[in-house]
Amino acid sequence: DQQVKQNSPSLSVQEGRISILNCDYTNSMFDYFLWYKKYPAEGPTFLISISSIKDKNEDGRFTVFLNKSAKHLSLHIVPSQPGDSAVYFCAALNSGGSNYKLTFGKGTLLTVNP
Amino acid sequence: GAGVSQSPSNKVTEKGKDVELRCDPISGHTALYWYRQSLGQGLEFLIYFQGNSAPDKSGLPSDRFSAERTGGSVSTLTIQRTQQEDSAVYLCASSPSRGTYTEAFFGQGTRLTVV
Repeated sequence: DQQVKQNSPSLSVQEGRISILNCDYTNSMFDYFLWYKKYPAEGPTFLISISSIKDKNEDGRFTVFLNKSAKHLSLHIVPSQPGDSAVYFCAALNSGGSNYKLTFGKGTLLTVNP
Repeated sequence: GAGVSQSPSNKVTEKGKDVELRCDPISGHTALYWYRQSLGQGLEFLIYFQGNSAPDKSGLPSDRFSAERTGGSVSTLTIQRTQQEDSAVYLCASSPSRGTYTEAFFGQGTRLTVV
């Protein structure tokens, strides 16, 4: 049973436009969420995170929005750049429980076209 | 080195053989994690080490899997009598302390193929 779902396997956008990557979760115990970016043949790298006490966190071109009632979060990248082309993973954890176990979605492949 | 190093990068093994995967974490990082990514899936938690504490092995899929961390540094993941379903990318990560994933670094992974 998938507790973190990324329903779009892939997304293609034009350079300069906004990229919106979506993630849904089912476990109400999750209270901390992270986005990772992964290039081929490399390990995932941390991008941005959000605690459940917030509904938005912004870092440069990257903003994560959290809708707790809908158990939904999204990552916005604006403006998108070709170097943003990668697989993006959404991950969640229960900071009050085993706070070292991340549960990942399957990832979304983002392609930013020049 | 500056990052988490994993070896080998690629491993092809015959079904039934044993394999060892190695992870060199960032110096000073007390927390070490193993995950695996099967084809088309997200990363799956396998095991967690924190300092000298007993590891959390709850994610290991079967008793054919084991891991150790010697001297609080290098870790080895061993898979005995490999099966085709063990084929995956095995990723190691380390962080300064328990659960500090915003400061965690992943290695490039070991791609294991069981034929």
